[in-house]
Amino acid sequence: EAGVTQSPTHLIKTRGQQATLRCSPISGHTSVYWYQQALGLGLQFLLWYDEGEERNRGNFPPRFSGRQFPNYSSELNVNALLLGDSALYLCASSRQGARTEAFFGQGTRLTVV
Amino acid sequence: EDQVTQSPEALRLQEGESSSLNCSYTVSGLRGLFWYRQDPGKGPEFLFTLYSAGEEKEKERLKATLTKKESFLHITAPKPEDSATYLCAVQSLSSGSARQLTFGSGTQLTVLP
Repeated sequence: EAGVTQSPTHLIKTRGQQATLRCSPISGHTSVYWYQQALGLGLQFLLWYDEGEERNRGNFPPRFSGRQFPNYSSELNVNALLLGDSALYLCASSRQGARTEAFFGQGTRLTVV
Repeated sequence: EDQVTQSPEALRLQEGESSSLNCSYTVSGLRGLFWYRQDPGKGPEFLFTLYSAGEEKEKERLKATLTKKESFLHITAPKPEDSATYLCAVQSLSSGSARQLTFGSGTQLTVLP
């Protein structure tokens, strides 16, 4: 069974540009979560999508947005990039239900120059 | 606000030297506590989920336990391949239907041959 896949693996953008990151969940998983892991910091929750709807978002500005498609894959968009947005962006997926584990992809390393 | 504190921040062990990692948490009702392993530049790998105090789970050289205030990850006779950062995360009942995880900063484990 394929795991969570993220693309691209690495992304280099210039300050002020927009970045688009993509995530395909494990087959049968309907929830997708996005986390940011900046250097030396822990994982910070960004967004949660389930059944195509945004269910919750973390303490991040509206520059961070995304969507979930009918096939449950997801896209994270970061607008007006700042140097401080450089981080490893991780996507996780889980099944529906309260007692479900989240499985992570390998991440997209975003570097803003 | 949910809080997760992991200790120690870093731990160096000789191969075969058993030890424990600590995860203290503060939540308004625990839905679940999760342990992940993360290698440098990679996404977290799921290890265990614990749901209620007194619960224990084992996998190879790892054993996770849970009390009402903390969780321990016991590593028995570790090998160099166990070297990684171990992350603890909680899922809180206080977030209603939200299922995102709150992570600790991790314990960086190094096992020397």
